[in-house]
Amino acid sequence: DSGVTQTPKHLITATGQRVTLRCSPRSGDLSVYWYQQSLDQGLQFLIHYYNGEERAKGNILERFSAQQFPDLHSELNLSSLELGDSALYFCASSSDIGEAFFGQGTRLTVV
Amino acid sequence: AQTVTQSQPEMSVQEAETVTLSCTYDTSESDYYLFWYKQPPSRQMILVIRQEAYKQQNATENRFSVNFQKAAKSFSLKISDSQLGDAAMYFCAYRSSMAGAGSYQLTFGKGTKLSVIP
Repeated sequence: DSGVTQTPKHLITATGQRVTLRCSPRSGDLSVYWYQQSLDQGLQFLIHYYNGEERAKGNILERFSAQQFPDLHSELNLSSLELGDSALYFCASSSDIGEAFFGQGTRLTVV
Repeated sequence: AQTVTQSQPEMSVQEAETVTLSCTYDTSESDYYLFWYKQPPSRQMILVIRQEAYKQQNATENRFSVNFQKAAKSFSLKISDSQLGDAAMYFCAYRSSMAGAGSYQLTFGKGTKLSVIP
């Protein structure tokens, strides 16, 4: 158990819909990173939050957004979903420059 | 931007034998970290081993060791005495150690699927 909790584990939704993925980092970790794992693109960095502030953006679509709340949990919001958004979404937490610990991921299927 | 390349999409090894997974990377930085992650069918990303670029000594964790060639930008993973539980996807990853942006995201290779034959 990495100590990072992601919910839900599975999500099936229709095209055009909006979903929210949730991540609770390890106790004491201020950083939350979001990654997308798809068959064609592999594992790609989406966005990083540190103590409530956005620190870096990667290959994140404009239809996607994230935030980190005062209790340090983070949410990734995906809107106007397309078939191609079907993927495994991971969050990882770390302390400053420490090692990243991954959650078990949320499997999103868009139908 | 940094890139990580794993040229072997799939590999197989006999149980109890040794296998080496390859990884090359491209960077202009002199200090960084390299990682191997294991992803079994459970999907969990598990850190196998890490290497700090400024350390010349190759990292070792039990049956897992790396061959880090900084000049060649090569970072291979050797698994000795392979076990059935080693069957998984293995990802090589790069992380900058520069604190400029305060962000330390990982750049991953495409992965190598390792099968262990009983």
